[in-house]
Amino acid sequence: AQRVTQPEKLLSVFKGAPVELKCNYSYSGSPELFWYVQYSRQRLQLLLRHISRESIKGFTADLNKGETSFHLKKPFAQEEDSAMYYCALSIKAAGNKLTFGGGTRVLVKP
Amino acid sequence: KAGVTQTPRYLIKTRGQQVTLSCSPISGHRSVSWYQQTPGQGLQFLFEYFSETQRNKGNFPGRFSGRQFSNSRSEMNVSTLELGDSALYLCASSLNRALNTEAFFGQGTRLTVV
Repeated sequence: AQRVTQPEKLLSVFKGAPVELKCNYSYSGSPELFWYVQYSRQRLQLLLRHISRESIKGFTADLNKGETSFHLKKPFAQEEDSAMYYCALSIKAAGNKLTFGGGTRVLVKP
Repeated sequence: KAGVTQTPRYLIKTRGQQVTLSCSPISGHRSVSWYQQTPGQGLQFLFEYFSETQRNKGNFPGRFSGRQFSNSRSEMNVSTLELGDSALYLCASSLNRALNTEAFFGQGTRLTVV
């Protein structure tokens, strides 16, 4: 069965500092990876997906199949980035089922 | 367009009772998935419905069931409630079942079992 691990429950950084959220997965095939974000009092929403290879709100994520990782990075954190971030995985055989990591809370201090 | 709507937002039930939660997906979306979110277990997949058929099921006991109607609205039912069923239940809708389809989440229904 597939699994997603986010080793950090909490990341606290100062505004303007780089931030990196780690995500490791276990799946022998070729999964699709996502990052979802939940801002305070808002619903869970898609931040980015690996297949798009795009930068959203300054965040990027690179799929490393060798290390089975999909870390999320931003070079200069902003206070509005404070939120809960979830890494998620889906596989072709499971349709829209998402397997989520435990989540990382990011706190950006002024 | 309107987002995913879940009703009710909050529920308090007693052990042994049953409960039905409702989810209205985004117009045109045919896939509805349900997730349970708890502090201890995080976000766990319950099941997915597509075109009124259950397409996928997570590792939950048979007390958890669901259905989808012809208008894509979905309900999930939990029978014989246990204290451990207290959680935030999230519904997500997707346009289709293609890989990489974005899931749009509702605000959730917070169920408390006492």
